[in-house]
Amino acid sequence: GESVGLHLPTLSVQEGDNSIINCAYSNSASDYFIWYKQESGKGPQFIIDIRSNMDKRQGQRVTVLLNKTVKHLSLQIAATQPGDSAVYFCAENSASGSRLTFGEGTQLTVNP
Amino acid sequence: DTGVSQDPRHKITKRGQNVTFRCDPISEHNRLYWYRQTLGQGPEFLTYFQNEAQLEKSRLLSDRFSAERPKGSFSTLEIQRTEQGDSAMYLCASSLGTENTEAFFGQGTRLTVV
Repeated sequence: GESVGLHLPTLSVQEGDNSIINCAYSNSASDYFIWYKQESGKGPQFIIDIRSNMDKRQGQRVTVLLNKTVKHLSLQIAATQPGDSAVYFCAENSASGSRLTFGEGTQLTVNP
Repeated sequence: DTGVSQDPRHKITKRGQNVTFRCDPISEHNRLYWYRQTLGQGPEFLTYFQNEAQLEKSRLLSDRFSAERPKGSFSTLEIQRTEQGDSAMYLCASSLGTENTEAFFGQGTRLTVV
């Protein structure tokens, strides 16, 4: 069945370093992916999305890479800041666009 | 604030009681979603509306759960005869009515059933 999962449950980095958060998905028919950031006690916050006709998309300090061959998605955060500390989820949008399937999340901790 | 708004933010109820949550989506968004999230897990899809029509429901949505969006704007999620297993964060999201567009989430309602 459809599933979206993450390789690592936790990631700890030093302030100023670059962070890479990984995600594997199993549904080869998935065509739209989103990264969300969730701080404690808050709802998920949209970071960046990518469609399956793209391999890479850049935002402000963030880059998402999509490798459809191995069904792998990654989120790169440049110059990580303490405010980036949160749980990061990748999510897959179904073909109909009616639901998001989330993975379990990666807890990013940025050490000063 | 033009984001997704949920009310209440927190709800503590006794087992067996009914609870109702409200979601006000971003005004121009015609799609509205409900998700449930338990500690340490990603959100799980419950149901989705296109305008006032409820188009999809998850198997997670038992017959004790009902959602409405009567005028295609705000939505309510009611849980009848609450059980301790219903304790979770209930998240609402909205998006424009085209496929593959980002969904924006509210801050959620934290339900605790005691």
